[in-house]
Amino acid sequence: AQSVAQPEDQVNVAEGNPLTVKCTYSVSGNPYLFWYVQYPNRGLQFLLKYITGDNLVKGSYGFEAEFNKSQTSFHLKKPSALVSDSALYFCAVRDISGGYQKVTFGIGTKLQVIP
Amino acid sequence: GAVVSQHPSWVICKSGTSVKIECRSLDFQATTMFWYRQFPKQSLMLMATSNEGSKATYEQGVEKDKFLINHASLTLSTLTVTSAHPEDSSFYICSARVVGWGSGELFFGEGSRLTVL
Repeated sequence: AQSVAQPEDQVNVAEGNPLTVKCTYSVSGNPYLFWYVQYPNRGLQFLLKYITGDNLVKGSYGFEAEFNKSQTSFHLKKPSALVSDSALYFCAVRDISGGYQKVTFGIGTKLQVIP
Repeated sequence: GAVVSQHPSWVICKSGTSVKIECRSLDFQATTMFWYRQFPKQSLMLMATSNEGSKATYEQGVEKDKFLINHASLTLSTLTVTSAHPEDSSFYICSARVVGWGSGELFFGEGSRLTVL
């Protein structure tokens, strides 16, 4: 079985400061990892993904994430937070072994950027 | 990126009635679509996997007769909540995966807020 953990319900950061939203995962095979953002009463928007290759992945809106296989982590980062980044962030994993199609989401982390 | 359209965005219905939610892939073909349910301050719960031209695959604990899923074409999947009750009130989100995109990121609709009175 695959699973995702987002240990923080909420992250508060001052505007202009760097932000990190944590994610750890568990899969039996090789993972595909994703980050999505959700604004109130909206669907999810894709931010970035790790499939293979460079462990540092760059995505939309200046976000990036670092894949760490030994720590089974895929933390989301941004060098300088904006108030407009305030939203709900979901980490997700897909175990690609055996053609498994399901994507498992974490519980979400609310990011609050304080002006 | 690929666009998924979901309709309606908001729906209010009386208890006992049925509600249909549509999910369309606008600029790509989707042999597989996924239906999720999201409770307040909680993650997405996968309800079922909708496969074009075949029966949907439901997750454990999801009533297939309650949540009817039809995927009649490569661009449309529908979720019908039958005989809705207040406990069915929730935010329902569909997603689709682009055919041939091996990395498998999902593209989501905007969600449908169902309120059953």
